[in-house]
Amino acid sequence: GQQLNQSPQSMFIQEGEDVSMNCTSSSIFNTWLWYKQEPGEGPVLLIALYKAGELTSNGRLTAQFGITRKDSFLNISASIPSDVGIYFCAGRGGSNYKLTFGKGTLLTVNP
Amino acid sequence: ETGVTQSPTHLIKTRGQQVTLRCSSQSGHNTVSWYQQALGQGPQFIFQYYREEKNGRGNFPPRFSGLQFPNYSSELNVNALELDDSALYLCASSQDMSGTEAFFGQGTRLTVV
Repeated sequence: GQQLNQSPQSMFIQEGEDVSMNCTSSSIFNTWLWYKQEPGEGPVLLIALYKAGELTSNGRLTAQFGITRKDSFLNISASIPSDVGIYFCAGRGGSNYKLTFGKGTLLTVNP
Repeated sequence: ETGVTQSPTHLIKTRGQQVTLRCSSQSGHNTVSWYQQALGQGPQFIFQYYREEKNGRGNFPPRFSGLQFPNYSSELNVNALELDDSALYLCASSQDMSGTEAFFGQGTRLTVV
């Protein structure tokens, strides 16, 4: 099935470092969502974006809806060990209402 | 915690069998979507129900079917199970069919042997 291009696939960083990940799509989206998933759990919504150019923060997390509506990025500042997990971007566009997900970015934080 | 609950949490079935998975949506939400997440992949959209009507479907064969009930809870049924159906099945609920924010349950881990 269709998936977004999410990069990087994995990151291994030191506690306190900043992290950046992004998603690109060949299609225009009206909504971008960022989720975090931990082992054995469902994805947890972190940030939702609804307008091109929108920049939204949630604590140490900041996400932007790209101006072309075909991309989005997520930044995590001053990472901590509990940031460990898989981060997924998801986009929604058109009338089908489905969310199209990226393959995820595995984040490992070394204390 | 999202308020979206799924049952069972784990299930083992034999190839060819049928399975029913259940989802209770978050209070106040009338839209439920189902996703299949294979190991190492992002979730793939199966279908969405809004007020008991199916209003979107992904690229899954007809042996994947579903229902939404008047209380907006939902079922996913899979017939003639295949080994490749082994995955985490996720249910997400949202306030309306345009899908503002979708909140996921913890998933049902299905293993087909």
